[in-house]
Amino acid sequence: DAGVTQSPTHLIKTRGQHVTLRCSPISGHKSVSWYQQVLGQGPQFIFQYYEKEERGRGNFPDRFSARQFPNYSSELNVNALLLGDSALYLCASSDLAGPRVHGELFFGEGSRLTVL
Amino acid sequence: GNSVTQMEGPVTLSEEAFLTINCTYTATGYPSLFWYVQYPGEGLQLLLKATKADDKGSNKGFEATYRKETTSFHLEKGSVQVSDSAVYFCALRELTGGGNKLTFGTGTQLKVEL
Repeated sequence: DAGVTQSPTHLIKTRGQHVTLRCSPISGHKSVSWYQQVLGQGPQFIFQYYEKEERGRGNFPDRFSARQFPNYSSELNVNALLLGDSALYLCASSDLAGPRVHGELFFGEGSRLTVL
Repeated sequence: GNSVTQMEGPVTLSEEAFLTINCTYTATGYPSLFWYVQYPGEGLQLLLKATKADDKGSNKGFEATYRKETTSFHLEKGSVQVSDSAVYFCALRELTGGGNKLTFGTGTQLKVEL
């Protein structure tokens, strides 16, 4: 079975531009989470979506938005890019392991965004 | 809020040496604890986990014990190999709220030399 797939793998943007990153979860997984990993740091939680609804949001500005589609794939959008948005953006999928209990997170290889 | 503190790297060891990477946490509830590994150019992979106090997670020769009294989850391996060279992240997940948010430490880079 395919794992979590993300696209594009690498991209370069300039300040002020907009970017859309895409994620396809493992088949059967209904939850998608997004993390930002700045070089030399641990991943920081951005969003979680479950069954197409936002279930959690990290401490990121409104320039960051996301959505989940009926097939459970997801997009992360970042507007008005800043130099500090340069990072590896990781998508993770999971499913319920019990009532209101989420199972293991499976991460994709990430989309590396460079803002010039 | 929740936080995870890891020992800083890089940690450089000779092959077959003993490894310890320290991890301590702060949490308001009763978290599950995880170690993830990131090989160069790849995403994160779950290495091991523990969901309650005194649980021991283990995988591929790595072990970590959930110590509630010291709020720690140190990673150990008795004999490291060159192939273990990677960045290791300690993380916690709160059990309340039903969500799946992980709080990560800053990561510890391990280099194993022949």
